[in-house]
Amino acid sequence: AQSVTQLDSHVSVSEGTPVLLRCNYSSSYSPSLFWYVQHPNKGLQLLLKYTSAATLVKGINGFEAEFKKSETSFHLTKPSAHMSDAAEYFCVVSHLHTGFQKLVFGTGTRLLVSP
Amino acid sequence: EPEVTQTPSHQVTQMGQEVILRCVPISNHLYFYWYRQILGQKVEFLVSFYNNEISEKSEIFDDQFSVERPDGSNFTLKIRSTKLEDSAMYFCASSEGGDRGLNTEAFFGQGTRLTVV
Repeated sequence: AQSVTQLDSHVSVSEGTPVLLRCNYSSSYSPSLFWYVQHPNKGLQLLLKYTSAATLVKGINGFEAEFKKSETSFHLTKPSAHMSDAAEYFCVVSHLHTGFQKLVFGTGTRLLVSP
Repeated sequence: EPEVTQTPSHQVTQMGQEVILRCVPISNHLYFYWYRQILGQKVEFLVSFYNNEISEKSEIFDDQFSVERPDGSNFTLKIRSTKLEDSAMYFCASSEGGDRGLNTEAFFGQGTRLTVV
């Protein structure tokens, strides 16, 4: 079975400081991993995805994540937070061999950005 | 930019009533999904749909639930007799295809908040 654990339910940063949102995964097979973001009253938007190519993945809005198999982690980072980054972030795993991209979501991390 | 649209944004229904949640996927997409998020809990997979049939469903998706693509553009989720525990945010998603839909981005709608009273 696949699962993801998001270690922090809330993360608070100041504008201009680095962001780190932590995610650990569990998968019996080669996983595909994603980060989605949800702004209030908006749908889930894909930030970035890892699908067995480069382990350092760059996404939209300056976010990136590194797949570390030895640590079973896929942490999301950004060098400098912006006020508009305040949102809910979901780490998601999908089994590469599962048909039709059944996504397994983490519980989410709410990112708060203060001026 | 093309997007998945869901209607209504909010739906309140009485327990035992039937409810239909509607979604318009992105026009050239072939794979369609429903997910739900009960307040305070994880987003959970309900069902995937391809070529006019269910391709996979979770244990949540019991006989009370059904999906349909009635007219080639809409994708609906029907709950026949709603229960209080069906209250949740329901997300529709679609993806383009390729290798059986694997590894192609799933685009999500903004969700329909269903409240059963």
